[in-house]
Amino acid sequence: GENVEQHPSTLSVQEGDSAVIKCTYSDSASNYFPWYKQELGKRPQLIIDIRSNVGEKKDQRIAVTLNKTAKHFSLHITETQPEDSAVYFCAAIPKGRAGSYQLTFGKGTKLSVIP
Amino acid sequence: EADIYQTPRYLVIGTGKKITLECSQTMGHDKMYWYQQDPGMELHLIHYSYGVNSTEKGDLSSESTVSRIRTEHFPLTLESARPSHTSQYLCASSEYGSGANEQFFGPGTRLTVL
Repeated sequence: GENVEQHPSTLSVQEGDSAVIKCTYSDSASNYFPWYKQELGKRPQLIIDIRSNVGEKKDQRIAVTLNKTAKHFSLHITETQPEDSAVYFCAAIPKGRAGSYQLTFGKGTKLSVIP
Repeated sequence: EADIYQTPRYLVIGTGKKITLECSQTMGHDKMYWYQQDPGMELHLIHYSYGVNSTEKGDLSSESTVSRIRTEHFPLTLESARPSHTSQYLCASSEYGSGANEQFFGPGTRLTVL
């Protein structure tokens, strides 16, 4: 099955700096890589995702890059703000298993943005 | 508004009690999931369903059971709660489709077993 490793487990940055969270996956058949943000006491919510036919995707201050050869993908947050403080989860899902779209999540990164 | 609803939001019960955590979605989704998560920690898939009358166990062994009699409803039952079941339980849903799709999460049920 798929195995997703996420680093770092905690990350502190000064407001305005950039934050980068990295994930690696094991199943070369994986083709969908979402990132979820979970604020304290709230439900996880999708913030950006990327599919294996794309190398990079941006949405305002967040971007995700995918390196299929190395089997890793990263979340980049620029100009961080205090409201970016949350736990971020990466995930991967393999292609081709009929009906078997179970996400495998990383263990999460707790991001703290210091004002 | 389309959403995922979970009740109760908080539950404190004694050891040995039978409980059912409710999950309903008005998203029109076929697939539904249950995750166990200690606050801010890793998400563990414990059950999932492709549609009505379909249920599967997830990666994390769980003493709970689920049923899927209606598309919109996916309740989780613990026959005899224990302190080790204390955790947050998140329900989620997604479209079936031909490709992977976003999972939408409910607000969660925080369970404490004394």
